[in-house]
Amino acid sequence: EAGVTQFPSHSVIEKGQTVTLRCDPISGHDNLYWYRRVMGKEIKFLLHFVKESKQDESGMPNNRFLAERTGGTYSTLKVQPAELEDSGVYFCASSNGLAGVWEQYFGPGTRLTVT
Amino acid sequence: AQSVTQLDSHVSVSEGTPVLLRCNYSSSYSPSLFWYVQHPNKGLQLLLKYTSAATLVKGINGFEAEFKKSETSFHLTKPSAHMSDAAEYFCVVSGRNNDMRFGAGTRLTVKP
Repeated sequence: EAGVTQFPSHSVIEKGQTVTLRCDPISGHDNLYWYRRVMGKEIKFLLHFVKESKQDESGMPNNRFLAERTGGTYSTLKVQPAELEDSGVYFCASSNGLAGVWEQYFGPGTRLTVT
Repeated sequence: AQSVTQLDSHVSVSEGTPVLLRCNYSSSYSPSLFWYVQHPNKGLQLLLKYTSAATLVKGINGFEAEFKKSETSFHLTKPSAHMSDAAEYFCVVSGRNNDMRFGAGTRLTVKP
């Protein structure tokens, strides 16, 4: 079974540009999460999808970030326009249920560098 | 609100000696707690989880952790470190919607 995959693995863009990160969860997992780790800080929750619906987006830092999960399969996270403080590693995770506590499976992350 | 504090940002041990990575938690209800490990250029991998069953939890690669409610702790231990254990370790508490609240991470160095 394939794990969670993320693309690209690394992106370098200039301030003001747009970047789109992609996450493919494990097949059949309804829950998809985005997290971010900025330099020197802890990994922080951004948002949670259940299928194609946003269950919780309380961690999204501002309206320059837009997450979508059309069709309830893969998800994209767009940053537009990117700022220097957006640099960090963006993780995606998926799990297969809400009842109880379900293990989240993490992807390798996308390292975003904004110059 | 749920949160975790990892008490050491960096731990260094010699190969073959015990490992202790410390974690304290704060939770307004009975928490679910996890330890994840990240090796360089790899994704986060679950080591073990506590979900209100046995307080001593055994995980992969010889790691275990003990949930101590009186001390609000969930320290990770291993009797004998191996070179391949060198990585960054994260203590995590699960929020109400199963979103994870991470500690700042502890980087483990294993010396030959």
